[in-house]
Amino acid sequence: DTEVTQTPKHLVMGMTNKKSLKCEQHMGHRAMYWYKQKAKKPPELMFVYSYEKLSINESVPSRFSPECPNSSLLNLHLHALQPEDSALYLCASSQPRAGRYSPLHFGNGTRLTVT
Amino acid sequence: AQKVTQAQTEISVVEKEDVTLDCVYETRDTTYYLFWYKQPPSGELVFLIRRNSFDEQNEISGRYSWNFQKSTSSFNFTITASQVVDSAVYFCALIRGETSGSRLTFGEGTQLTVNP
Repeated sequence: DTEVTQTPKHLVMGMTNKKSLKCEQHMGHRAMYWYKQKAKKPPELMFVYSYEKLSINESVPSRFSPECPNSSLLNLHLHALQPEDSALYLCASSQPRAGRYSPLHFGNGTRLTVT
Repeated sequence: AQKVTQAQTEISVVEKEDVTLDCVYETRDTTYYLFWYKQPPSGELVFLIRRNSFDEQNEISGRYSWNFQKSTSSFNFTITASQVVDSAVYFCALIRGETSGSRLTFGEGTQLTVNP
């Protein structure tokens, strides 16, 4: 079983809908990530939160809005998405340590379809 | 710039064969970390191994082994006596050095199919 839990597993939404993806981890990790993965492609980094503060935003369109309410939770709010935003959205966590790079632990992802 | 190249897009083998997945990387950093992840059809990315740039010792874990060679900037992954459950996409990845949140640069992935 994965230690990073993502809900929902599947989501279908229209272009005018507002929805949220949720991610939870209880490993005490203080860095959390959102990645987007299209079919047959590697994951692409979207956002990084470190100690509950947004540290990296990879020029993601504003229709994607991340939120980190506490050290265990990470949300991704979706609004006015386009069909090309359909993808697998992966959440990950890691323990940031100066001088070391702990591996990222990924969740199972949310398969998003925008109609 | 960081770059990871996995030249093999797809590999198909028969069960019990050995298979090697190639990974070549480019970086200007002297300190970096390399990773291998497995992504089965379920979608989850499973961490397999991390190797830092100062440790060129090869590693073996059960049927898995990794060969890290800085001289050729390669970090290859071998599965011995492959099994059907090894079928997945395998990604090689490189860290871009930051301590406050890690940027992983992924290769394009290699789809491994192990046939019974």
